[in-house]
Amino acid sequence: GAVVSQHPSRVICKSGTSVKIECRSLDFQATTMFWYRQFPKQSLMLMATSNEGSKATYEQGVEKDKFLINHASLTLSTLTVTSAHPEDSSFYICSAIITETQYFGPGTRLLVL
Amino acid sequence: QQQVKQSPQSLIVQKGGISIINCAYENTAFDYFPWYQQFPGKGPALLIAIRPDVSEKKEGRFTISFNKSAKQFSLHIMDSQPGDSATYFCAASMYTSGSRLTFGEGTQLTVNP
Repeated sequence: GAVVSQHPSRVICKSGTSVKIECRSLDFQATTMFWYRQFPKQSLMLMATSNEGSKATYEQGVEKDKFLINHASLTLSTLTVTSAHPEDSSFYICSAIITETQYFGPGTRLLVL
Repeated sequence: QQQVKQSPQSLIVQKGGISIINCAYENTAFDYFPWYQQFPGKGPALLIAIRPDVSEKKEGRFTISFNKSAKQFSLHIMDSQPGDSATYFCAASMYTSGSRLTFGEGTQLTVNP
């Protein structure tokens, strides 16, 4: 199957700082990527749809000024959590789509102290 | 109407047994139904997927049964193994809405040796 990578795999930061998470499609080009958030023992919650060369589409209730998404190339989308707070601590997962199938990255564990 | 209901929430099966997870949906416009397997601390991995024009799809020990009239689909894991212990998510999407996935709540499967 298609390979999607994320970097970093885990990050610890202080409250008030910004953190950038990268999502790469390694063996295919993805015009569309998705960003999810997952709390322990819960399902995946879609945060936004990232489209190459255009603005991301955010789901209702997701603050676009807090979760900045950039999809600058066909293989890279980034999620920046700005002014992170402890409540932003979570597991962030990206996916890239081929036709209708989403392939997920390994996830990034964010801990905000 | 966008929801996908998944049951059971947790499932314990003996090694060699059959694991069955069920999902129900309401939106008849869904046209793609994947199942994902997720291990702790990892991103979801695509297991198997089906479209509504077929009633069953089998890949190795994994089978999806699809009942279009009942708007239900299920995952059967034959000869369950301890290595199958993971969380399983069903999902549904529509190609016309950018293939955004609607996930079920997840089923935590434990296969005892």
